[in-house]
Amino acid sequence: DSGVTQTPKHLITATGQRVTLRCSPRSGDLSVYWYQQSLDQGLQFLIQYYNGEERAKGNILERFSAQQFPDLHSELNLSSLELGDSALYFCASSVGGTGNSPLHFGNGTRLTVT
Amino acid sequence: GQNIDQPTEMTATEGAIVQINCTYQTSGFNGLFWYQQHAGEAPTFLSYNVLDGLEEKGRFSSFLSRSKGYSYLLLKELQMKDSASYLCAVVNYGQNFVFGPGTRLSVLP
Repeated sequence: DSGVTQTPKHLITATGQRVTLRCSPRSGDLSVYWYQQSLDQGLQFLIQYYNGEERAKGNILERFSAQQFPDLHSELNLSSLELGDSALYFCASSVGGTGNSPLHFGNGTRLTVT
Repeated sequence: GQNIDQPTEMTATEGAIVQINCTYQTSGFNGLFWYQQHAGEAPTFLSYNVLDGLEEKGRFSSFLSRSKGYSYLLLKELQMKDSASYLCAVVNYGQNFVFGPGTRLSVLP
């Protein structure tokens, strides 16, 4: 158990809809990262937050947004969903935001868009 | 640009040794991580290299050569449970973790 909690585990929704994925980092970790992993694809970096502030952005679509709250949990919002958004979405946390401490991943949310 | 290459698939026999290579070209280098990922599960941290040389951790070792943009993960005394994908991730100057495509390892009895 990594200590990173993601909810829900599974989401099935229709095209055009909006969903929110939630992540609670490990106790003491200030940095939260979001990754997308499509079938047989690598981990694609979406966005990083550090202590409530956006730190870095990857290939995140404009339809997607995220935030980190004062209690350090984070939410990833996906809107106007398309079939191609079906993927595993992972949240990871680390102690700092400087890349010299490992990422600890949650078990992911599997999103299916029908 | 960012480019990380790993072999797509490898097969080895239980009890053997296997080496999984990773080559990278990234905008700067601030460290390299190896992760193990079983199908449909979360990646789990295996090892970290920031200086050249070999880091040993039980059955797993990882090597780094910064001048060559090259790392490998060495798995000894292979077990069936080692069947998984192995991901190489480079931390660039922006402190971003850039993941490679992963190598799917199958361990056969």
